[in-house]
Amino acid sequence: SQTIHQWPATLVQPVGSPLSLECTVEGTSNPNLYWYRQAAGRGLQLLFYSVGIGQISSEVPQNLSASRPQDRQFILSSKKLLLSDSGFYLCAWSRTGVPYEQYFGPGTRLTVT
Amino acid sequence: EDKVVQSPLSLVVHEGDTVTLNCSYEVTNFRSLLWYKQEKKAPTFLFMLTSSGIEKKSGRLSSILDKKELFSILNITATQTGDSAVYLCAVGGSQGNLIFGKGTKLSVKP
Repeated sequence: SQTIHQWPATLVQPVGSPLSLECTVEGTSNPNLYWYRQAAGRGLQLLFYSVGIGQISSEVPQNLSASRPQDRQFILSSKKLLLSDSGFYLCAWSRTGVPYEQYFGPGTRLTVT
Repeated sequence: EDKVVQSPLSLVVHEGDTVTLNCSYEVTNFRSLLWYKQEKKAPTFLFMLTSSGIEKKSGRLSSILDKKELFSILNITATQTGDSAVYLCAVGGSQGNLIFGKGTKLSVKP
């Protein structure tokens, strides 16, 4: 069966510090991978998605970036965090050719102080 | 602009009640509609609907899609305290992405 991991679970970072969140998927090959952010009082917002190694599409312009160095690894980064980057970050995966049935990881709660 | 609107935003019921959650959408090139349940952390997948009028059922939960009127409902019968959660509706468009509503927060009191 497929499993998706995210870490860390919670993170408190000062404004201007860098960020690296990691997501890995087990039990499937060549998944589609997604990063979402859920801010208080708002729905899930898609940040990035990837259909393969090195292929990243950005949905929202911002100071975040994503990379996919391996087939089942997806990384979300920032060089300098802003207060507005606080939120709940979720990684998700779907099977190739079935993009809508997405399964979510446990999430990272990021607080920027 | 694509949008998904859920109603009500919050709902409080007692155990044993039946609830209906609503989701309406305006999405270019609709492909599918999904329901998720979110408790403390990650949303968990409930249903994916692609065809009108065909009910999907899992235990006490059921859902149906109306592509003509652009909405879906999620029914929960004989509610239990474990059903307390935020229920998210999402619609898939032609880009392969999901557009999420803000969710309905359901609280089931014993």
